[in-house]
Amino acid sequence: EVQVLESGGGLVQPGGSLRLSCAASGFSFYDYAISWVRQAPGKGLEWVSAISGTGFSSYSADSVKGRFAISRDNSRNTVDLQMNSLRAEDTAIYYCAKHVGIYPSYHLDYWGQGTLVTVSS
Amino acid sequence: EIVLTQSPGTLSLSPGERATLSCRASQSINGNHLAWYQQKPGQPPRLLIYGASRRATGIPDRFSGSGSGTDFTLSISRLDPDDFAVYHCQQYGSSPFTFGQGTKVEIK
Repeated sequence: EVQVLESGGGLVQPGGSLRLSCAASGFSFYDYAISWVRQAPGKGLEWVSAISGTGFSSYSADSVKGRFAISRDNSRNTVDLQMNSLRAEDTAIYYCAKHVGIYPSYHLDYWGQGTLVTVSS
Repeated sequence: EIVLTQSPGTLSLSPGERATLSCRASQSINGNHLAWYQQKPGQPPRLLIYGASRRATGIPDRFSGSGSGTDFTLSISRLDPDDFAVYHCQQYGSSPFTFGQGTKVEIK
């Protein structure tokens, strides 16, 4: 059974940092790209960042470029999202989701339950 | 960046009625790489349709997707009480892999 589980959310002050982690199981982890997608309270979905199955290619939305970095450890079946210089507008539920191919140019078929990040003083 | 515009913002319908949701792209989507997701309160999104018209595993056949290029449609032939939710479209043809703002289907 495919499982995706996010962790690391919490309350952080503006300008602070937080590291989210996504742990996956039930599939050949290195064969699939992973994305982070966020949802601000009462708002729609916003794609944030993606990483290829090998980890050699990564992609990010303009809103987080230069502040967020995605990485993966295929030996531990995890994908991390390092978030720096956090702003109030980064407050959201952050979902980890699996693509159906090695690159993010495939749809997302499994999603985690999400982890809440709150940026506030 | 491809901007996806969903309409209407809210659709008020009764069970048994047909729902038609639109997703319009600011430029043509590579390979019709467009997906639809359903989301209920407090839950993550669930994949319904990919490749513009292919139903995901386990999705009832009352859900159908159509369209190509810049105009895409999700249809629900007869609304079941379980179908009242928010529906999101997403393009995965080119980075950034953007979402529309969502359409809420509510009970009339």
